[in-house]
Amino acid sequence: SAVISQKPSRDICQRGTSLTIQCQVDSQVTMMFWYRQQPGQSLTLIATANQGSEATYESGFVIDKFPISRPNLTFSTLTVSNMSPEDSSIYLCSVDRPSGKGGNIQYFGAGTRLSVL
Amino acid sequence: GENVEQHPSTLSVQEGDSAVIKCTYSDSASNYFPWYKQELGKGPQLIIDIRSNVGEKKDQRIAVTLNKTAKHFSLHITETQPEDSAVYFCAASKAGGYQKVTFGTGTKLQVIP
Repeated sequence: SAVISQKPSRDICQRGTSLTIQCQVDSQVTMMFWYRQQPGQSLTLIATANQGSEATYESGFVIDKFPISRPNLTFSTLTVSNMSPEDSSIYLCSVDRPSGKGGNIQYFGAGTRLSVL
Repeated sequence: GENVEQHPSTLSVQEGDSAVIKCTYSDSASNYFPWYKQELGKGPQLIIDIRSNVGEKKDQRIAVTLNKTAKHFSLHITETQPEDSAVYFCAASKAGGYQKVTFGTGTKLQVIP
C-alpha cells in the first residue's frame, strides 16, 4: 500500500491567482500522477511526474497552466496557474503499486478541494 | 484509446438489499479491472479487482463479474449497509508495468436505513 498526504485539503482562491498543491508519499516511487475530478464527475489524468524529468501531460492539459515539480522520489507539487472559476475541482495525487495479478493499483491522496471565485 | 462507460449514475437501495453497478469498456486489450470506492471528503480507494482470465471474484459482501466477450463487468454488493454509501468508480487498464488507467463516470450509491 501507500500513504499519501496532500496539502492543502481545501482552499478558496481569487480569479487570476495561483495555488500550489503538495503531495508527499511515505515511500519512494518512480511515477506520481495528478488527477482532476470536476464536481460530480470522474477522474481525469492531468499529468505523470517522473523524478528527474519533465512531466508528461495528457491531451487538454499544458505545462503553463499546470506546472509540476518532482524534486525527489517522495514529493511532487502541482500548481494551478492564473485560476478561473472553471478550475474549481478536486485535485488528486496518486501513485501506483503492482497488484500482483497484473495491472497496477492506484493509491490516492485525500484530494485538494479548490474553489475559485 | 480506452473508453469506460458506467451505469447507473445514481442508485438508491434499502438497507439489506443488493446493489449492482455495470461498466462496459471499449479496448479489447484491457485486462485488469479495479473498482474504487470514494467516500465523502476522501480519495478513491481500491475495494476489489479482477483480471480478464477470471470470470468472477468475491470478497465477503462484494463481488465482481467479467464478461470478456461482451466487454462488460459489474460490481455486486449484497446486504448493503449505510456505510456502503459512497461513489463507486470502475476502471480498466492493461497489465504489465505502468499502463494508463481509464475510469468510469462513477455511481453515487445511497443506502437508506
